[in-house]
Formats: sequence, structure tokens, C-alpha cells
Amino acid sequence: DQQVKQNSPSLSVQEGRISILNCDYTNSMFDYFLWYKKYPAEGPTFLISISSIKDKNEDGRFTVFLNKSAKHLSLHIVPSQPGDSAVYFCAASAGNTGTASKLTFGTGTRLQVTL
Amino acid sequence: DTAVSQTPKYLVTQMGNDKSIKCEQNLGHDTMYWYKQDSKKFLKIMFSYNNKELIINETVPNRFSPKSPDKAHLNLHINSLELGDSAVYFCASRLRLATNEKLFFGSGTQLSVL
Repeated sequence: DQQVKQNSPSLSVQEGRISILNCDYTNSMFDYFLWYKKYPAEGPTFLISISSIKDKNEDGRFTVFLNKSAKHLSLHIVPSQPGDSAVYFCAASAGNTGTASKLTFGTGTRLQVTL
Repeated sequence: DTAVSQTPKYLVTQMGNDKSIKCEQNLGHDTMYWYKQDSKKFLKIMFSYNNKELIINETVPNRFSPKSPDKAHLNLHINSLELGDSAVYFCASRLRLATNEKLFFGSGTQLSVL
């Protein structure tokens, strides 16, 4: 049962344009969402997060939008740069107030930013 | 000055062998994890330890035994390796703040069972 889905395995965007990566989830208990970026042969690194009490969070070129009614979130990268080429994972958790939370990851979207 | 380091980076072994993967974090975090990324690229949680205590065990076969000698280390020992164990294993530690949290991952150990 895949609770976090990234239906686009890959995306190609021209440098300077906007990249939009999408993520859908099925578990209505999820209340915290994160995006991770992964380069080859490295571990995922945290990019940006959003709590379910918000519908938008912005950090520099990166903005995450959350639509709770649609159980959908998206990551916008503007402007896209060649160094943004990586695999992007969406992740979600339910109730991060305990001693350990469990992140459920999507399968990732490979972003290629072309010159 | 790596925050979460795991060794080895690559591990090639025969079916039936026993192997260990080590993980250390120098971030002072209390909670550490093991995640597995399989051939379909699913990144799934296996275990979580908080201050050396097992908190999460996601129905992983008991051939997998995590060990946490102290809160900075979480090692993974695998007995009787099987072909299906081939995957990339990521260690992570958690920074938990009042309103959010984030995981810091190691660079992964690619395990190939022949």
C-alpha cells in the first residue's frame, strides 16, 4: 500500500524555468510533509518542509504548496538551475510529537535541468 | 567532518553469509534510523532507536538485528543473507525541534548479495 505517490518518475526543465514536482498521499493522518533531494551515491538531504496547518512554505527558490482537501503537495523551484538536477523525494509523517516518527517516502522524481 | 557516516559504502557478499553495516552520527541527536531503498526505489523504514532503545521495528525479518551501543551509533547486522536483501541501506539521525523535524542521512551502503 503506497501511501505517498510521486507519479512522475522524471522531469526535464530548461534552466531558468520553473520546475514543479508533484506528490499525492492517501493517509489523512499525515500532518507533516517534507521534500528531500538526492544526488547519486549520496544520502537524501533535507530541502523544505510544511506542516498541515499551512498551505505554503517558501525558502529562497523553493516553495512547497499543500492542498489538504486534494491530499496533494507540490514543490516549485524557480528559477531552476543545473545544480538542481537530482532525485527529489516527497515524504510524510503522522504526529511528530513522539519519541520517534516514521517518515513514509515516495519513490522519487528525477529532475534534469538542461542548459 | 561528516555528520552521519556509514561503512562500508559498498558490500558484495555471497548468499548465506553474515555481514554488518556500521553507522555513526556526530550531531548529538537522540534518534537514529535504518532505511532500505530497494530496486523499485522505495525508501522504507526498518528500525528506529531512541537513546539506545528500540522504538520502531517495521516487521523486518529477524535475520536483521540492529544494535545501538550508544546514542551516537546504530549498527545493522544481517544473518544468512539472501538475494532479496540486495538494496541500498541508509542510516539517518533525527533533529527534532518544537514544530518540525528533519532527518540527516548517511551516504548509503550498497549491498549486493550474489
